[in-house]
Amino acid sequence: EPEVTQTPSHQVTQMGQEVILRCVPISNHLYFYWYRQILGQKVEFLVSFYNNEISEKSEIFDDQFSVERPDGSNFTLKIRSTKLEDSAMYFCASSPGRSNQPQHFGDGTRLSIL
Amino acid sequence: GNSVTQMEGPVTLSEEAFLTINCTYTATGYPSLFWYVQYPGEGLQLLLKATKADDKGSNKGFEATYRKETTSFHLEKGSVQVSDSAVYFCALLNTGNQFYFGTGTSLTVIP
Repeated sequence: EPEVTQTPSHQVTQMGQEVILRCVPISNHLYFYWYRQILGQKVEFLVSFYNNEISEKSEIFDDQFSVERPDGSNFTLKIRSTKLEDSAMYFCASSPGRSNQPQHFGDGTRLSIL
Repeated sequence: GNSVTQMEGPVTLSEEAFLTINCTYTATGYPSLFWYVQYPGEGLQLLLKATKADDKGSNKGFEATYRKETTSFHLEKGSVQVSDSAVYFCALLNTGNQFYFGTGTSLTVIP
């Protein structure tokens, strides 16, 4: 069964540095998402992406964050000037369509900011 | 607004016990409801879903019924196994295509 893949599985970065989290969504899916889960807290929506542009974003997704689909397969989340509170598990997801469509999640990237 | 509340964990059960994990929601419009499961060290996996009132989602012996009158989507399983040990997340998908997750309920099943 096709799946969403994320790399790396664990990223350790010094505060203030930029990180890029990578995702390969399921190939025939059209909608892409990023979520984060701070340890012990809820999974929180960050952003959704369709047709090469952001379709929705949450309050968390401020100017520090950006997303890109640089080619036909990858979907990336860039975090500029990381802060300690950016430490979390980041999940990528994709879905074939919009409403009522379950989103298929990757295994996540654990981001640790030192 | 949209939110999901699920019962606090952790939950510890003996094998073959009956499981209920409560989930209630608030939403504008008519959301779809989901249960996701996260096994240790893995990502979120869809367990089951229901897209409208009175629908019952089921998978791997788990069931949940979309109850509009009580705004609930409780997860049940008649006989749990050790392999069911995981964290279970209730979630709603609103008409704006955003997921709202509960805090997760950790389940440990002991032999």
